[in-house]
Amino acid sequence: LAKTTQPISMDSYEGQEVNITCSHNNIATNDYITWYQQFPSQGPRFIIQGYKTKVTNEVASLFIPADRKSSTLSLPRVSLSDTAVYYCLVAQGGLTGGGNKLTFGTGTQLKVEL
Amino acid sequence: NAGVMQNPRHLVRRRGQEARLRCSPMKGHSHVYWYRQLPEEGLKFMVYLQKENIIDESGMPKERFSAEFPKEGPSILRIQQVVRGDSAAYFCASSPPIGQGADTQYFGPGTRLTVL
Repeated sequence: LAKTTQPISMDSYEGQEVNITCSHNNIATNDYITWYQQFPSQGPRFIIQGYKTKVTNEVASLFIPADRKSSTLSLPRVSLSDTAVYYCLVAQGGLTGGGNKLTFGTGTQLKVEL
Repeated sequence: NAGVMQNPRHLVRRRGQEARLRCSPMKGHSHVYWYRQLPEEGLKFMVYLQKENIIDESGMPKERFSAEFPKEGPSILRIQQVVRGDSAAYFCASSPPIGQGADTQYFGPGTRLTVL
């Protein structure tokens, strides 16, 4: 499984855009990039998943360059409630992918202040 | 559509007792995963099951831990003769069948096990 590297922590203020970058130099052809959010005492919550270029949903955007060796999760206009740990994972996926164990790192602790 | 359900949410056991953790996957999901999380750490994979089959148990300790996902009923993670080091949050996740987005896992709220 591809190893990921992301910052340990980030600080931001309400209303700002937050970009969290993840490195995954050894990503395989069949791997997808997935981001999860975890609040204290809760299970991780799926945010977004992508394979290449840009993916956007109602919560976030995911930017993936052509070489796919990194990805950036973009959270527009964060609020206090976005304070959480954000995990970047890569694993074989897509509609043809089977079930896979996910490898979580320590994630990025995002702290949003007023 | 109810999410992944886990019970109990909190479980206290004394050393040497058994712990049983239950997980009901989301409706229509046929894959179940168990993860363990220690304080200040990321989740660690333990086991991946489909109905009546263990697919990958590479993260399970060799002794005292077992898991099942019967044809009927929830998935069970069983820890025999618990020790203090088993104290952790145990998360269950489920995903749809292969070909229907099996790569996306949805997590339950977790069971927090405390061993006295």
